[in-house]
Amino acid sequence: KQEVTQIPAALSVPEGENLVLNCSFTDSAIYNLQWFRQDPGKGLTSLLLIQSSQREQTSGRLNASLDKSSGRSTLYIAASQPGDSATYLCAVPSGAGNMLTFGGGTRLMVKP
Amino acid sequence: DAMVIQNPRYQVTQFGKPVTLSCSQTLNHNVMYWYQQKSSQAPKLLFHYYDKDFNNEADTPDNFQSRRPNTSFCFLDIRSPGLGDAAMYLCATSRETSGSFGQFFGPGTRLTVL
Repeated sequence: KQEVTQIPAALSVPEGENLVLNCSFTDSAIYNLQWFRQDPGKGLTSLLLIQSSQREQTSGRLNASLDKSSGRSTLYIAASQPGDSATYLCAVPSGAGNMLTFGGGTRLMVKP
Repeated sequence: DAMVIQNPRYQVTQFGKPVTLSCSQTLNHNVMYWYQQKSSQAPKLLFHYYDKDFNNEADTPDNFQSRRPNTSFCFLDIRSPGLGDAAMYLCATSRETSGSFGQFFGPGTRLTVL
């Protein structure tokens, strides 16, 4: 059974700092990995989707990397801003229906 | 813009009173999912449809049912809500179940049970 873990569970940084969020998964036979952002009381916004054949994906100040062999992905946020404050979730598909298995999330606070 | 829409955004119901949550999509995706997310927890899959084929997760309570009358719409019915069913309900879509495609989520419906 796939298990996904995110470290740290919470992170508080000053504005402008570069930061890295970590995601690990136990079964490396994945098709892709998605990073999501969730604001309090809101739904999930897809940030980046990395296919198993890719090493990384970039969108603006976000860069996600994937190392299937080691079962790890990282989300790099450059020059963090208070508006980046949210919970970040990683997820991998598994099972017949492509159901997503989520990590517990990293709750990020960027202080002005 | 192509998107996933959920209505209502907030739903308050009484203990034991049936409630229906709605999801629609303009992405023309084959697969629609319902997830339950309780406070400070990760989303948990309840069931999904591939086209009209319904797939229930093994540990989804019988109290939860779903309908998909057409490609665009999917409904979540909670027959007798209990206090433990208070949660955010998230609808998601995907083009296929092959695993190569990502999932797109709606804004969620926050259910309160009094």
